Amino acid sequence: SQTIHQWPATLVQPVGSPLSLECTVEGTSNPNLYWYRQAAGRGLQLLFYSVGIGQISSEVPQNLSASRPQDRQFILSSKKLLLSDSGFYLCATTSGGASTQYFGPGTRLLVL
Amino acid sequence: GIQVEQSPPDLILQEGANSTLRCNFSDSVNNLQWFHQNPWGQLINLFYIPSGTKQNGRLSATTVATERYSLLYISSSQTTDSGVYFCAAGYNNNDMRFGAGTRLTVKP
Repeated sequence: SQTIHQWPATLVQPVGSPLSLECTVEGTSNPNLYWYRQAAGRGLQLLFYSVGIGQISSEVPQNLSASRPQDRQFILSSKKLLLSDSGFYLCATTSGGASTQYFGPGTRLLVL
Repeated sequence: GIQVEQSPPDLILQEGANSTLRCNFSDSVNNLQWFHQNPWGQLINLFYIPSGTKQNGRLSATTVATERYSLLYISSSQTTDSGVYFCAAGYNNNDMRFGAGTRLTVKP
């Protein structure tokens, strides 16, 4: 079975600082990878998805970017954080042609 | 894009009670999933159910695709069932839209 790792678990960053969140997947190959954001008390919003190395699709224009340098690694970045970037960031995966999505433990980001 | 609405927004039950959560979606979808988010934030996939009925222990789900709704049934609820239940719908996995969730509290 697949395992999804995310780090860091929590992060407090000042406005204007850079960001790098990492997601890695074990137990599968060539997965589809997804970044979601959940604002406090809200549902999830799809930010980016990737079907392969170097292939990134953006769902919502914003100051965030994503990269997939390796098959099972997905990175979420920002050059300058905004207050509105605070939230709970979740990485998810599907693999093997299946549609069921599995989520990592998430990273809680607070921008001050 | 697809709109997903869940009801009720909040639900409080006594342990042992049954409940039904509803998810309405605005268009025909090929992908519908139910998730449970525990108090620590972990999302667990409960069902992939674009149509039909499935059961897993005390949980079952039914999706009537032609009428654009899905129901999640929880029987004999336990305190560990507490958390937020999300429905997500889309044409495929790359455009899933989540509802706002139903927050369930099960009291002992």
